[in-house]
Amino acid sequence: EAQVTQNPRYLITVTGKKLTVTCSQNMNHEYMSWYRQDPGLGLRQIYYSMNVEVTDKGDVPEGYKVSRKEKRNFPLILESPSPNQTSLYFCASRPFWWEIHQPQHFGDGTRLSIL
Amino acid sequence: GNSVTQMEGPVTLSEEAFLTINCTYTATGYPSLFWYVQYPGEGLQLLLKATKADDKGSNKGFEATYRKETTSFHLEKGSVQVSDSAVYFCALSVQGGKLIFGQGTELSVKP
Repeated sequence: EAQVTQNPRYLITVTGKKLTVTCSQNMNHEYMSWYRQDPGLGLRQIYYSMNVEVTDKGDVPEGYKVSRKEKRNFPLILESPSPNQTSLYFCASRPFWWEIHQPQHFGDGTRLSIL
Repeated sequence: GNSVTQMEGPVTLSEEAFLTINCTYTATGYPSLFWYVQYPGEGLQLLLKATKADDKGSNKGFEATYRKETTSFHLEKGSVQVSDSAVYFCALSVQGGKLIFGQGTELSVKP
């Protein structure tokens, strides 16, 4: 089954404790991205990757890092989490970055609470 | 710049009522438009899409038409069911790959 898998689904942690949210897709997609969802703001892009070793900032990158060492994986790293990063996070993928007519496939989301 | 504006929710309807969720956009170039749906506790699923002006996307009884002259992509359904209760997001796909989302509209359908 074609899917985007995120882990963990839920996490409660404390300020300053480094964490990583993993994202893996089995569709051989080149384009992957991370979004955060906040009430009244919809989803906003954090980082994206057009292909392996090519990543760039989205609209709200502060406090986050990413890496893309292999095509299927695109982890989101919070080096020093703060309470304003409490949110619902989604990973998404699409075959190629230029195919704007193709929908992005989304994972089931990761709900992070930073205390 | 590029942006999407959706009608605010929550929207509460009785079963079999007619649904309209308004969505307007601002964009340069030739974007594609999408409606995504998020059921409680789940991720986003594509509901329908339209890739050029006057295209009509449809799925599961939902429809939306890409209106370039009014920069709109309103979502409609003739008869909603309780199972349609969810949050609906209008989104714009622009050059560079990014999706730009509206703020989401929560729909609650009562039996």
